[in-house]
Amino acid sequence: QVQLMQSGAEVKEPGASVRISCKASGYTFTHYYIHWVRQAPGQGLEWMGIINVKAGSTSYAEKFQGRITMTRDTSTDTVYMDLSSLRSEDTAVYYCARGGEGSAWGEWFDPWGQGTLVIVSS
Amino acid sequence: VLTQSPDTLSLSPGERATLSCRASHSVNYNYLAWYQQKPGQAPRLLIFGASSRATGIPDRFSGSGSGTDFTLTINRLEPEDFAMYYCQQFDGSPRYTFGRGTKLEIK
Repeated sequence: QVQLMQSGAEVKEPGASVRISCKASGYTFTHYYIHWVRQAPGQGLEWMGIINVKAGSTSYAEKFQGRITMTRDTSTDTVYMDLSSLRSEDTAVYYCARGGEGSAWGEWFDPWGQGTLVIVSS
Repeated sequence: VLTQSPDTLSLSPGERATLSCRASHSVNYNYLAWYQQKPGQAPRLLIFGASSRATGIPDRFSGSGSGTDFTLTINRLEPEDFAMYYCQQFDGSPRYTFGRGTKLEIK
């Protein structure tokens, strides 16, 4: 079955960077886009950006421009999300989610990874 | 902006739940989805294209609406249905936005 498996929880100091991985299985990795969505404690969902896994091209939400980088490794079916200059407000659970197929970004997210908790604290 | 109402809905098992999602501008091609999220879990896709059920979703879940007003209806509530529900729209560009959610709790 289609699965997205994310890396484990991270604790970072303010100003540091974090890298989260998302390993896909159960489908042809390069056929689908991957999104990143985050959820602060007790809060709603916030879309961060999308990567075209086949081409490697990306599009980021304006809020994260300059701090976020999404990459992929097609040899291991893994997508990475790097977030830099971390601040306390970045404490959240970060999710990867599969998007559209082929050349379409897709209109919804399915399935989702299990989530990765990132805590930013001194 | 997507506005969900009510913030909290208190119902009993067996009752019908009606959740609302209102968009600040018309949603293109009804690109509106609904998700269920239980504590400590990732969201799960329920409805896409405003009214199409995702794979494996029971038929007691239904979505309706168009333009700016959308509804998620859950008939004959089961104990496992009590959770948070989020609507989400696709604006193109690409850009995606979520509502703040409705908590469906047991009365």
